[in-house]
Amino acid sequence: NAGVTQTPKFRVLKTGQSMTLLCAQDMNHEYMYWYRQDPGMGLRLIHYSVGEGTTAKGEVPDGYNVSRLKKQNFLLGLESAAPSQTSVYFCASSYGVPKMPLHFGNGTRLTVT
Amino acid sequence: GNSVTQMEGPVTLSEEAFLTINCTYTATGYPSLFWYVQYPGEGLQLLLKATKADDKGSNKGFEATYRKETTSFHLEKGSVQVSDSAVYFCALPPPRGSNYKLTFGKGTLLTVNP
Repeated sequence: NAGVTQTPKFRVLKTGQSMTLLCAQDMNHEYMYWYRQDPGMGLRLIHYSVGEGTTAKGEVPDGYNVSRLKKQNFLLGLESAAPSQTSVYFCASSYGVPKMPLHFGNGTRLTVT
Repeated sequence: GNSVTQMEGPVTLSEEAFLTINCTYTATGYPSLFWYVQYPGEGLQLLLKATKADDKGSNKGFEATYRKETTSFHLEKGSVQVSDSAVYFCALPPPRGSNYKLTFGKGTLLTVNP
């Protein structure tokens, strides 16, 4: 049982480049989330999805886009990367409303130079 | 809105020492409460939870009691091990009917030395 899988694990981008982070879950969860984790800032929600074909903004959505074309996948896109987007990105999923525990992937460490 | 205030770290202990990490919350009603743990290089994972007042959640020797009088959910362990070195997060679900944002504390880094 793989749980939540994130690819890639590491990436270095130059300012202005674009990339897509992939999150895949095999638990048939309805809800999926993208967080970023920065020192001293804790976890901040970027975007989330409550089901296939739906997405919504979290607390720090600017500079990111997402898509949930299939229930098991949640993609996070950076169209024009900026150094401020250097962070560790975590995907999470849950079965029901968020009082059900979240299951996290192991993260993608992104550096934008 | 909901908020979580968590003891700031870092916390450094010797093996077999007693651990307390404080967590207090502000919320409407009596929500479920969670502690998550993040080991180095990994994502967060649920450590324990309590779903109603006076409940005690426990796992891997850790315990936390849901205290509605003091709106607290402090994490404790009687004898820590080197393998407990990690970042610990207290968390609170959103109010019923609102958005889906789980509220996390800022995290407390625990280092246990042999």
